[in-house]
Amino acid sequence: GESVGLHLPTLSVQEGDNSIINCAYSNSASDYFIWYKQESGKGPQFIIDIRSNMDKRQGQRVTVLLNKTVKHLSLQIAATQPGDSAVYFCAEMGMNTGFQKLVFGTGTRLLVSP
Amino acid sequence: GAGVSQSPSNKVTEKGKDVELRCDPISGHTALYWYRQSLGQGLEFLIYFQGNSAPDKSGLPSDRFSAERTGGSVSTLTIQRTQQEDSAVYLCASSRDQTYNEQFFGPGTRLTVL
Repeated sequence: GESVGLHLPTLSVQEGDNSIINCAYSNSASDYFIWYKQESGKGPQFIIDIRSNMDKRQGQRVTVLLNKTVKHLSLQIAATQPGDSAVYFCAEMGMNTGFQKLVFGTGTRLLVSP
Repeated sequence: GAGVSQSPSNKVTEKGKDVELRCDPISGHTALYWYRQSLGQGLEFLIYFQGNSAPDKSGLPSDRFSAERTGGSVSTLTIQRTQQEDSAVYLCASSRDQTYNEQFFGPGTRLTVL
């Protein structure tokens, strides 16, 4: 079945460092991936997405890398700030019953120390 | 408001009682999703509505769970005869349509079944 997992449950970094959050997925047919950020008491917030015809996409301070060969996704955050502290989820779009059902990983908590 | 809203924000109920959770999607969004997030876990898909099409209920965990969407807008998730394992945060999301579009999440309803 479909599954999306994360290698590290908690990542602690110093302010200003670059952060890398990793994600593995198992459904090779998935063609769309999203990273969400979830702060305490709030719903997930979209960060960046990538389609399977790309291997890299950049946003503001964030970069998503997709390696379809090993089914691996990563989120890179440059110059990490205390406000980046949150739980980060990768999600995979499964083409189930003709609609885009998000399959989420369990999340990685990012802790940024000042 | 411009975002997805959910009510109540918190709900405490006794085992065996029925509960109703409400979601107001972003105006104009035709797709609406319900997810469940257990403590420290990722998001579990429950049900999906797209326009006037029949909803996809493939994620509902039991027949005690049901959802309606009236007039293509507001949705209500109903849990009958609640059990302690139903305790979780229930998140609603909407997107412009069913294609590859960002899902906007509400803040969630935290349900506690005593």
